[in-house]
Amino acid sequence: QKEVEQNSGPLSVPEGAIASLNCTYSDRVSQSFFWYRQYSGKSPELIMSIYSNGDKEDGRFTAQLNKASQYVSLLIRDSQPSDSATYLCAAYNFNKFYFGSGTKLNVKP
Amino acid sequence: DVKVTQSSRYLVKRTGEKVFLECVQDMDHENMFWYRQDPGLGLRLIYFSYDVKMKEKGDIPEGYSVSREKKERFSLILESASTNQTSMYLCASSPRGGLVNTEAFFGQGTRLTVV
Repeated sequence: QKEVEQNSGPLSVPEGAIASLNCTYSDRVSQSFFWYRQYSGKSPELIMSIYSNGDKEDGRFTAQLNKASQYVSLLIRDSQPSDSATYLCAAYNFNKFYFGSGTKLNVKP
Repeated sequence: DVKVTQSSRYLVKRTGEKVFLECVQDMDHENMFWYRQDPGLGLRLIYFSYDVKMKEKGDIPEGYSVSREKKERFSLILESASTNQTSMYLCASSPRGGLVNTEAFFGQGTRLTVV
């Protein structure tokens, strides 16, 4: 089992809808969690970090962490075409980051 | 803002050449990382360093070496470039951190083509 797993997608949502991205992780990585957005041909940029159980909101983005079920999710409200990108889930443990393979999100106008 | 700067955005090298990719960060981060990213394979860790002169192999270290002589600079070396090393190379840095504030920040990437 990989340390961090994501559905590769693509996930298609209409403009204005809520996009829900999910990620599961193994027992081996459990310290802190991140969501990165990566546009085609560009480097990943940090959107959210979450360290404790529950929800964390930042503008249109909400990260959710459930340590008992070992999953992390990212909700994007009022999705815009500019949100179309690949979203990478990452976990940090003992000086190393573990990245999922990414979920491609398409927001249709 | 954290800034991670890679020396080149695009590079074209010949098979067998020794290639140096440089990365500099300005936030006094302890950790630095080199990844390569290929379609369908995601981010793969080549090497990382958690302190000056310290390095550890990642998942795919074969054909690569690294150098960290100063805290802000982490170099990736392709000893003898081969066509299967054509890829996007990403450098990242992060504070060593404890339970929080451990985010990684990426450079702009170097797209290397070996011909």
